[in-house]
Amino acid sequence: AQSVSQHNHHVILSEAASLELGCNYSYGGTVNLFWYVQYPGQHLQLLLKYFSGDPLVKGIKGFEAEFIKSKFSFNLRKPSVQWSDTAEYFCAVIPDNYGQNFVFGPGTRLSVLP
Amino acid sequence: ETGVTQSPTHLIKTRGQQVTLRCSSQSGHNTVSWYQQALGQGPQFIFQYYREEENGRGNFPPRFSGLQFPNYSSELNVNALELDDSALYLCASSLVGTGGTEAFFGQGTRLTVV
Repeated sequence: AQSVSQHNHHVILSEAASLELGCNYSYGGTVNLFWYVQYPGQHLQLLLKYFSGDPLVKGIKGFEAEFIKSKFSFNLRKPSVQWSDTAEYFCAVIPDNYGQNFVFGPGTRLSVLP
Repeated sequence: ETGVTQSPTHLIKTRGQQVTLRCSSQSGHNTVSWYQQALGQGPQFIFQYYREEENGRGNFPPRFSGLQFPNYSSELNVNALELDDSALYLCASSLVGTGGTEAFFGQGTRLTVV
């Protein structure tokens, strides 16, 4: 079965530190890749997505992600985090034979200390 | 705001009861998917409806059922509630056929089964 793993359950950083959240998926075919963020008490919000083309994808709020097909990875990065980035981050995959439905990772909770 | 609204926001039910959760899709979207997000986990795909027909189902038993209406709003019904059904239920709407998927999530319904 398709699965998505995220390397860290909880990450704690100080403001201005750099961030990298790992994501790996198990599906060998064509995939669409996403990062969603869930701020406390709010809905899931799309940060960025990759369908094809340049494997380095830029999203909102200064986030970017790099798709490395050979490693089945789609890691999320931000050069300098802010306190307002405190949230839960979910990596998600849509395999090409899975309709239009997401397989989500378990999430990484990011706490940014002021 | 995503334009996807869910009701109610919170609900407490007793084991064995039945529950109906509602979702109003974003205007113009023809597809709705439902996800279950247990505490500390990523959302898990329950099923999807496209043009009022079920169009894919995850690993959930038949007591989880749904409907999509001509105005593309949707219901999730759960019969014979179990304690493990306690979770955040998310609705996502999207427009299938645009060459790429972007789903918009509602804020969810928090169901507690006691």
